[in-house]
Amino acid sequence: AQSVTQLDSHVSVSEGTPVLLRCNYSSSYSPSLFWYVQHPNKGLQLLLKYTSAATLVKGINGFEAEFKKSETSFHLTKPSAHMSDAAEYFCVVSGGNAGNMLTFGGGTRLMVKP
Amino acid sequence: DTAVSQTPKYLVTQMGNDKSIKCEQNLGHDTMYWYKQDSKKFLKIMFSYNNKELIINETVPNRFSPKSPDKAHLNLHINSLELGDSAVYFCASSQGTGVWDYTFGSGTRLTVV
Repeated sequence: AQSVTQLDSHVSVSEGTPVLLRCNYSSSYSPSLFWYVQHPNKGLQLLLKYTSAATLVKGINGFEAEFKKSETSFHLTKPSAHMSDAAEYFCVVSGGNAGNMLTFGGGTRLMVKP
Repeated sequence: DTAVSQTPKYLVTQMGNDKSIKCEQNLGHDTMYWYKQDSKKFLKIMFSYNNKELIINETVPNRFSPKSPDKAHLNLHINSLELGDSAVYFCASSQGTGVWDYTFGSGTRLTVV
């Protein structure tokens, strides 16, 4: 079985300050890991994905995530938050006997203050 | 061109009714899925079809019946709608057993009154 825990349900930052959204995963196999973003009343957009080629993964809009096997973590970061980053973020795991089924974390709502 | 399209985008209906949500993908993928996002934003897989064959069927009530007429379409029919069925339903597709090219539709917001 695999699971994902997003450690913060809400994160609030000021515009221009760094963003850190935390994610821990549990998987019996080498996982595939993703971050998705969902803006209000919108669909799911892929931010980045871990392919096991490099532990530091760069995504769209300046986001990146680092895969740390020893800590079973895949935290999402961005050096400088923008107002348009306000959204719901989902950490996702797949792989092993779950095949192509995606298991979503509970989500983190990012709020950006002016 | 929309890669994964769902219709309708919004659906408001009364309890007890039967409704369908349609999904079509033009990516040439052979695997399609339905995911449900509840009011707390939690997303969970419901079904997965590969080449029209049911692969994954999570613990979903029998009132939900997916239908895949061909590998480009996966429709979701819901009988005897209940208040608890209110959610956003996302269709997605991918190629084979891989997850690298997972593509989601924009979602259907179902409200049961």
